[in-house]
This record gives sequence, structure tokens and C-alpha cells, in this order.
Amino acid sequence: EAQVTQNPRYLITVTGKKLTVTCSQNMNHEYMSWYRQDPGLGLRQIYYSMNVEVTDKGDVPEGYKVSRKEKRNFPLILESPSPNQTSLYFCASSLSPDSMFMNTEAFFGQGTRLTVV
Amino acid sequence: AQSVTQPDIHITVSEGASLELRCNYSYGATPYLFWYVQSPGQGLQLLLKYFSGDTLVQGIKGFEAEFKRSQSSFNLRKPSVHWSDAAEYFCAVGNNRLGKLIFGQGTELSVKP
Repeated sequence: EAQVTQNPRYLITVTGKKLTVTCSQNMNHEYMSWYRQDPGLGLRQIYYSMNVEVTDKGDVPEGYKVSRKEKRNFPLILESPSPNQTSLYFCASSLSPDSMFMNTEAFFGQGTRLTVV
Repeated sequence: AQSVTQPDIHITVSEGASLELRCNYSYGATPYLFWYVQSPGQGLQLLLKYFSGDTLVQGIKGFEAEFKRSQSSFNLRKPSVHWSDAAEYFCAVGNNRLGKLIFGQGTELSVKP
């Protein structure tokens, strides 16, 4: 089954304690991205990756890091989480940037609800 | 700058009634437009998308949307709402060069029995 898998689904952590949210896709997609969802703001892109070893900032990258060492995985790293990073996070993938807007669609993970206290 | 506005934060309709969710976008070129639905505790599911051609687009679950360039709108409609349609709905415009979706704020739909 084609899917994007995020872990963990729920996480409560303390300010400053480094954490990683994993994202894995089994569709051999080149393009992957991270979004955060906040009430009244919709989803905003944090980082994206066009392919292995190619990443770039989205609209709200501050406080986040990503890596793309292999095609299937795109972890989101919070080196020193703060309460304003409490949010619902989604990972998405598609075959390529263009393909999202043509024959295929972006596949979204189930989301990770992060609370930083 | 590209942006999407969903004017209605929360809408309540009775089961069986018709539904229209509004979406306005700002984009310099021909837009790629999407509607997604997010059920409680779930990820995002694509309802429909518009790239070109017929301005009335049919989607899954009985939804449709109409692209009106003159009004910069892409409103979502359903003739008869079911209780299972209660969810949050997001309109988005796509930047195909960056592969980025720009989302509206979302509209939460409640369905009364």
C-alpha cells in the first residue's frame, strides 16, 4: 500500500530537548516536504527536498532542520524545541514537484501532534 | 505574493442540505487549485483539483468545485451533505516550480442531524 508514515503520532516534550520526527514513503518519490498546521493559519511549509541531498527552506524554517540522505526518508529535527513549535506536523511526498500538479497527487502522512512544555 | 483566503472559519449545515465553501486566491499566473479534507485525527485527503480546461471540476465523495477566474474563486459545493462530511476543509493553490502548496486557513464543517 502506497503511504507516507510519520512517527511518532503524538509527542510531548520539554523545552530544549532535541527531538526528531521521522517520515518515510514507499513510493520512490523524489519530492518530500514538511508542513505545520496551526489553528487559523492552515498549513505552512517548513522545508522541502527535491531529491536526495537537496533540501531548501519553505516559509517557516526557523528552529527546524531536515536531512535527506536517502530517497525514502525525510526526518524533521528540532534541535532545541520551544513552546511556539507546539503544532500538528505533516510530511508529504510526490513523484516530483511538477507531478503534484499533473497526474499524481501529494500524499500526506497521518500527522504528528507535538506539544512542547 | 500567492495567498489563499477561506472567509468562513466555521460553517454548520443540516444533514441533507446543500453546501458551499468559499475560497479566494491570489496568484500571478494560471493557478493550480486544490481542495483537501481533513477528518478528525486524520491526514489530508485530496477531494479534487483544477489545472485547466472545464471550470467545473468533479471530485470524490460527491463534491464539485467551480473555478471562476474573474472572481479569483474556487468554491467547493455539495448538493446534499451527509453527517460523515463533518471535517475541516482546506483550499490550496500550487506553486509547481517549487512543488509547494499554499493553504487557506481552513473551514470547519459541522453537520446537524
